[in-house]
Amino acid sequence: ETGVTQTPRHLVMGMTNKKSLKCEQHLGHNAMYWYKQSAKKPLELMFVYNFKEQTENNSVPSRFSPECPNSSHLFLHLHTLQPEDSALYLCASSLGLAGYNEQFFGPGTRLTVL
Amino acid sequence: AQSVTQLGSHVSVSEGALVLLRCNYSSSVPPYLFWYVQYPNQGLQLLLKYTTGATLVKGINGFEAEFKKSETSFHLTKPSAHMSDAAEYFCAVSDRATNAGKSTFGDGTTLTVKP
Repeated sequence: ETGVTQTPRHLVMGMTNKKSLKCEQHLGHNAMYWYKQSAKKPLELMFVYNFKEQTENNSVPSRFSPECPNSSHLFLHLHTLQPEDSALYLCASSLGLAGYNEQFFGPGTRLTVL
Repeated sequence: AQSVTQLGSHVSVSEGALVLLRCNYSSSVPPYLFWYVQYPNQGLQLLLKYTTGATLVKGINGFEAEFKKSETSFHLTKPSAHMSDAAEYFCAVSDRATNAGKSTFGDGTTLTVKP
């Protein structure tokens, strides 16, 4: 595997389910990100991790719970979601947090909440 | 606070025609600037970036962008559109003053290429 991978690619869940999204980067980067991409809305930054430590939580509801066990893996645990949470969830990584570092994105997980 | 505006949510060009996608930013100091492309069912991919030095930046797939400080712009161009260029394009800015990993993305411009 190369770059940034995300599993699953598609997920359908009910509002009472618990599921997790997984992201893995094979680039040796130190920073990882979760974004939400909804139709007709700009890309929304959710969480930022640097060297496994959370550095940013962009006022995300607690029904989204991130976990970063090491610099290569990032999870997003989901529970009691709402239909408006349906979106494409993108994971990204970068060498570091400095602004000149571009981000490398995974293909995303298309989430549908019924 | 920084912000970025992409003028035109949809742009349509004929194959072989010039592509021009507009991006203007607002920032207290000139930010780092990026263009990303997103093909259907894929994540975003970097096309090019401006950090310092030469203001005309060349990227992948024949795209280039010019940083114009006086106009606070970073427009993306390609001399001749190809069918494979059809995608969504995002302009993004990052603050030079902080190292927070927080890029601000524009709303995106969908490029359609007509045969």
